[in-house]
Amino acid sequence: EAGVVQSPRYKIIEKKQPVAFWCNPISGHNTLYWYLQNLGQGPELLIRYENEEAVDDSQLPKDRFSAERLKGVDSTLKIQPAELGDSAVYLCASSSTGPPGDEQYFGPGTRLTVT
Amino acid sequence: DAKTTQPPSMDCAEGRAANLPCNHSTISGNEYVYWYRQIHSQGPQYIIHGLKNNETNEMASLIITEDRKSSTLILPHATLRDTAVYYCIVNTGNQFYFGTGTSLTVIP
Repeated sequence: EAGVVQSPRYKIIEKKQPVAFWCNPISGHNTLYWYLQNLGQGPELLIRYENEEAVDDSQLPKDRFSAERLKGVDSTLKIQPAELGDSAVYLCASSSTGPPGDEQYFGPGTRLTVT
Repeated sequence: DAKTTQPPSMDCAEGRAANLPCNHSTISGNEYVYWYRQIHSQGPQYIIHGLKNNETNEMASLIITEDRKSSTLILPHATLRDTAVYYCIVNTGNQFYFGTGTSLTVIP
């Protein structure tokens, strides 16, 4: 079974530029998560999708961050404009059932560096 | 939301059992305890989860106290590949809070 796929793996941009991250979850997984992980910290949830609906986006900074999952499969997370403090690893995860008893499978993440 | 407390770091000799503790004193009756680990530069990997009963799978065992206020993850025969950050998580249904985890180093 193919795992969660994320691209790109690494991205370096200058501040104020836009950036987008792509995630392809495990086939058949209806629940998709985007997390942010700062150095030395655990992942923090940004947004959770059930199929194409964003059911929890309370931690997403909506002034500059946006996400979509148009057909309930792939998802894109965008930052516009990027700030220095956005440098982090952005992780995508998927699960088949959703909380509270779900097992999340994580992708390798995209490491963003904003200069 | 329920949070967890873990020691920041632990060492374990290769081949010995690694016992990783976690306190979750504010856990509610229907909230699951999950354990994940993260090897450097990789995404977190699911290990095991439980609600009330002890659980065992091919990777580890999870021991949950009767009052559910703490748990222990047991890696029965630690190998060098088990060196990672281990996260104990209480899944509230609305938030999957990772915390900072325990950095386990398996020593040859």
